[in-house]
Amino acid sequence: AQRVTQPEKLLSVFKGAPVELKCNYSYSGSPELFWYVQYSRQRLQLLLRHISRESIKGFTADLNKGETSFHLKKPFAQEEDSAMYYCALSGGGADGLTFGKGTHLIIQP
Amino acid sequence: GAGVSQSPRYKVAKRGQDVALRCDPISGHVSLFWYQQALGQGPEFLTYFQNEAQLDKSGLPSDRFFAERPEGSVSTLKIQRTQQEDSAVYLCASSLGTVNEQYFGPGTRLTVT
Repeated sequence: AQRVTQPEKLLSVFKGAPVELKCNYSYSGSPELFWYVQYSRQRLQLLLRHISRESIKGFTADLNKGETSFHLKKPFAQEEDSAMYYCALSGGGADGLTFGKGTHLIIQP
Repeated sequence: GAGVSQSPRYKVAKRGQDVALRCDPISGHVSLFWYQQALGQGPEFLTYFQNEAQLDKSGLPSDRFFAERPEGSVSTLKIQRTQQEDSAVYLCASSLGTVNEQYFGPGTRLTVT
Protein backbone atom coordinates (compact mmCIF):
# COMPACT_ATOMS: atom_id res chain seq x y z
CA ALA A 1 0.00 0.00 0.00
CA GLN A 2 1.20 3.50 -0.69
CA ARG A 3 1.81 5.82 2.22
CA VAL A 4 3.13 9.33 2.83
CA THR A 5 4.63 10.26 6.19
CA GLN A 6 5.20 13.79 7.42
CA PRO A 7 6.78 13.36 10.85
CA GLU A 8 6.35 16.96 12.03
CA LYS A 9 2.85 18.14 12.83
CA LEU A 10 4.16 21.61 13.66
CA LEU A 11 7.36 23.40 12.70
CA SER A 12 8.23 26.85 13.99
CA VAL A 13 11.22 28.80 12.69
CA PHE A 14 12.32 32.40 12.76
CA LYS A 15 12.17 34.65 9.71
CA GLY A 16 15.37 34.37 7.69
CA ALA A 17 16.21 30.91 9.02
CA PRO A 18 16.37 27.85 6.74
CA VAL A 19 13.30 25.60 6.55
CA GLU A 20 13.08 21.90 5.87
CA LEU A 21 9.78 20.06 5.89
CA LYS A 22 10.23 16.31 5.87
CA CYS A 23 8.34 13.85 3.71
CA ASN A 24 8.92 10.12 3.37
CA TYR A 25 6.93 7.80 1.19
CA SER A 26 6.25 4.15 0.64
CA TYR A 27 5.40 2.98 -2.87
CA SER A 28 6.35 -0.01 -4.97
CA GLY A 29 7.04 1.59 -8.30
CA SER A 30 7.94 5.03 -9.63
CA PRO A 31 5.69 7.54 -7.95
CA GLU A 32 5.12 11.16 -8.74
CA LEU A 33 5.59 13.42 -5.71
CA PHE A 34 3.99 16.77 -4.97
CA TRP A 35 3.93 19.46 -2.31
CA TYR A 36 0.60 21.22 -1.78
CA VAL A 37 0.15 24.31 0.40
CA GLN A 38 -2.88 25.78 2.13
CA TYR A 39 -2.60 29.37 3.32
CA SER A 40 -5.01 30.63 5.96
CA ARG A 41 -8.59 30.78 4.62
CA GLN A 42 -7.49 29.69 1.14
CA ARG A 43 -7.91 26.50 -0.78
CA LEU A 44 -5.33 23.80 -1.25
CA GLN A 45 -2.98 24.60 -4.12
CA LEU A 46 -0.04 22.96 -5.79
CA LEU A 47 3.33 24.32 -4.71
CA LEU A 48 5.62 22.09 -6.73
CA ARG A 49 5.97 18.65 -8.27
CA HIS A 50 9.17 16.68 -8.60
CA ILE A 51 9.03 16.17 -12.35
CA SER A 52 9.06 19.90 -13.05
CA ARG A 53 12.22 20.48 -11.00
CA GLU A 54 11.21 24.10 -10.46
CA SER A 55 11.83 26.43 -7.57
CA ILE A 56 8.55 28.03 -6.52
CA LYS A 57 8.53 30.93 -4.02
CA GLY A 58 12.10 29.95 -3.15
CA PHE A 59 11.13 26.37 -2.26
CA THR A 60 12.79 23.32 -3.76
CA ALA A 61 12.33 19.60 -3.23
CA ASP A 62 14.48 16.75 -4.48
CA LEU A 63 13.22 13.22 -4.87
CA ASN A 64 15.62 10.79 -3.19
CA LYS A 65 14.61 7.32 -4.29
CA GLY A 66 17.22 5.64 -2.12
CA GLU A 67 15.84 7.22 1.04
CA THR A 68 12.27 7.39 -0.34
CA SER A 69 12.13 11.04 0.67
CA PHE A 70 10.91 14.28 -0.88
CA HIS A 71 11.83 16.95 1.65
CA LEU A 72 10.82 20.57 1.02
CA LYS A 73 13.48 23.20 1.60
CA LYS A 74 13.86 26.95 1.59
CA PRO A 75 17.10 28.70 2.57
CA PHE A 76 15.53 31.83 4.10
CA ALA A 77 12.02 31.65 5.52
CA GLN A 78 9.61 34.55 5.09
CA GLU A 79 6.56 35.36 7.21
CA GLU A 80 4.24 34.74 4.26
CA ASP A 81 5.43 31.13 4.15
CA SER A 82 3.32 30.37 7.24
CA ALA A 83 0.78 27.77 6.10
CA MET A 84 -0.15 24.08 6.13
CA TYR A 85 2.03 22.00 3.84
CA TYR A 86 1.02 18.59 2.51
CA CYS A 87 3.23 16.11 0.75
CA ALA A 88 1.36 13.92 -1.73
CA LEU A 89 2.05 10.95 -3.96
CA SER A 90 0.51 9.67 -7.16
CA GLY A 91 1.15 6.36 -8.83
CA GLY A 92 0.64 8.14 -12.10
CA GLY A 93 -2.13 8.07 -14.64
CA ALA A 94 -5.60 8.21 -13.17
CA ASP A 95 -4.60 7.79 -9.55
CA GLY A 96 -6.02 9.99 -6.87
CA LEU A 97 -3.41 11.55 -4.63
CA THR A 98 -2.26 10.00 -1.35
CA PHE A 99 -1.56 12.79 1.13
CA GLY A 100 0.46 12.98 4.31
CA LYS A 101 -1.12 14.42 7.44
CA GLY A 102 0.44 17.80 6.87
CA THR A 103 2.92 20.06 8.64
CA HIS A 104 1.86 23.41 10.04
CA LEU A 105 4.71 25.81 9.36
CA ILE A 106 4.87 28.95 11.47
CA ILE A 107 7.39 31.64 10.65
CA GLN A 108 8.06 33.87 13.63
CA PRO A 109 9.09 37.49 13.07
CA GLY B 1 -11.59 32.16 -15.14
CA ALA B 2 -13.53 30.68 -12.27
CA GLY B 3 -11.94 27.95 -10.23
CA VAL B 4 -13.55 24.82 -8.82
CA SER B 5 -16.63 25.68 -6.79
CA GLN B 6 -18.44 23.61 -4.20
CA SER B 7 -21.79 24.00 -2.50
CA PRO B 8 -22.91 24.24 0.16
CA ARG B 9 -19.81 25.49 1.95
CA TYR B 10 -21.19 24.31 5.29
CA LYS B 11 -23.73 21.63 6.03
CA VAL B 12 -25.10 20.48 9.36
CA ALA B 13 -27.04 17.24 9.26
CA LYS B 14 -28.72 15.21 11.95
CA ARG B 15 -27.53 11.64 12.19
CA GLY B 16 -29.52 9.50 9.78
CA GLN B 17 -30.22 12.27 7.28
CA ASP B 18 -29.15 12.11 3.65
CA VAL B 19 -26.92 14.87 2.23
CA ALA B 20 -25.86 15.89 -1.27
CA LEU B 21 -22.67 17.85 -1.93
CA ARG B 22 -22.10 19.55 -5.26
CA CYS B 23 -18.92 20.21 -7.19
CA ASP B 24 -18.57 22.46 -10.26
CA PRO B 25 -15.20 21.73 -11.86
CA ILE B 26 -13.24 24.08 -14.06
CA SER B 27 -14.83 24.14 -17.52
CA GLY B 28 -13.22 21.64 -19.86
CA HIS B 29 -11.55 19.62 -17.13
CA VAL B 30 -11.88 15.94 -17.90
CA SER B 31 -10.88 14.51 -14.53
CA LEU B 32 -12.71 15.03 -11.26
CA PHE B 33 -11.71 13.75 -7.83
CA TRP B 34 -13.42 13.68 -4.42
CA TYR B 35 -11.46 13.62 -1.16
CA GLN B 36 -12.48 13.47 2.49
CA GLN B 37 -10.44 15.43 5.05
CA ALA B 38 -11.04 14.68 8.71
CA LEU B 39 -9.90 17.16 11.34
CA GLY B 40 -6.12 17.17 11.70
CA GLN B 41 -5.60 14.79 8.81
CA GLY B 42 -4.60 15.09 5.19
CA PRO B 43 -7.17 14.65 2.43
CA GLU B 44 -8.06 11.02 1.65
CA PHE B 45 -9.06 9.91 -1.83
CA LEU B 46 -12.66 8.83 -2.27
CA THR B 47 -13.40 8.51 -5.98
CA TYR B 48 -12.38 9.59 -9.48
CA PHE B 49 -14.26 10.39 -12.68
CA GLN B 50 -13.00 10.74 -16.20
CA ASN B 51 -15.77 12.63 -17.96
CA GLU B 52 -18.96 10.82 -16.86
CA ALA B 53 -17.27 7.50 -16.14
CA GLN B 54 -16.47 6.67 -12.54
CA LEU B 55 -13.17 4.87 -12.99
CA ASP B 56 -12.17 4.40 -9.37
CA LYS B 57 -14.37 4.31 -6.28
CA SER B 58 -12.00 2.33 -4.10
CA GLY B 59 -11.81 5.07 -1.47
CA LEU B 60 -15.52 5.30 -0.71
CA PRO B 61 -15.75 4.21 2.96
CA SER B 62 -19.10 2.44 2.74
CA ASP B 63 -22.06 1.81 0.46
CA ARG B 64 -23.72 4.83 2.04
CA PHE B 65 -21.46 6.98 -0.12
CA PHE B 66 -22.40 7.46 -3.76
CA ALA B 67 -21.01 9.85 -6.38
CA GLU B 68 -22.15 10.71 -9.87
CA ARG B 69 -21.20 12.96 -12.76
CA PRO B 70 -23.93 12.24 -15.31
CA GLU B 71 -22.98 14.75 -17.99
CA GLY B 72 -19.26 14.81 -17.42
CA SER B 73 -19.28 18.20 -15.74
CA VAL B 74 -20.97 18.84 -12.38
CA SER B 75 -20.57 16.09 -9.82
CA THR B 76 -22.60 15.24 -6.73
CA LEU B 77 -21.41 13.26 -3.73
CA LYS B 78 -24.31 11.79 -1.80
CA ILE B 79 -24.11 10.37 1.69
CA GLN B 80 -27.07 8.38 2.91
CA ARG B 81 -28.01 7.89 6.58
CA THR B 82 -25.18 10.11 7.79
CA GLN B 83 -23.18 9.06 10.82
CA GLN B 84 -21.03 11.15 13.17
CA GLU B 85 -17.87 9.69 11.66
CA ASP B 86 -18.85 11.26 8.32
CA SER B 87 -18.11 14.71 9.78
CA ALA B 88 -15.27 16.09 7.69
CA VAL B 89 -14.40 18.54 4.94
CA TYR B 90 -15.21 17.11 1.51
CA LEU B 91 -12.90 18.39 -1.19
CA CYS B 92 -13.41 18.27 -4.92
CA ALA B 93 -10.57 18.66 -7.41
CA SER B 94 -10.47 18.76 -11.18
CA SER B 95 -7.71 18.47 -13.74
CA LEU B 96 -7.38 18.85 -17.47
CA GLY B 97 -6.28 15.26 -17.95
CA THR B 98 -5.18 12.36 -15.87
CA VAL B 99 -1.63 13.46 -15.17
CA ASN B 100 -2.10 17.20 -14.88
CA GLU B 101 -2.19 19.40 -11.81
CA GLN B 102 -5.30 18.99 -9.68
CA TYR B 103 -7.14 22.21 -8.82
CA PHE B 104 -9.03 22.07 -5.55
CA GLY B 105 -12.31 23.64 -4.53
CA PRO B 106 -12.86 25.35 -1.17
CA GLY B 107 -14.49 22.26 0.31
CA THR B 108 -17.78 21.54 2.04
CA ARG B 109 -17.58 21.22 5.81
CA LEU B 110 -20.09 18.57 6.90
CA THR B 111 -21.00 18.30 10.57
CA VAL B 112 -23.22 15.43 11.64
CA THR B 113 -24.90 15.95 15.01
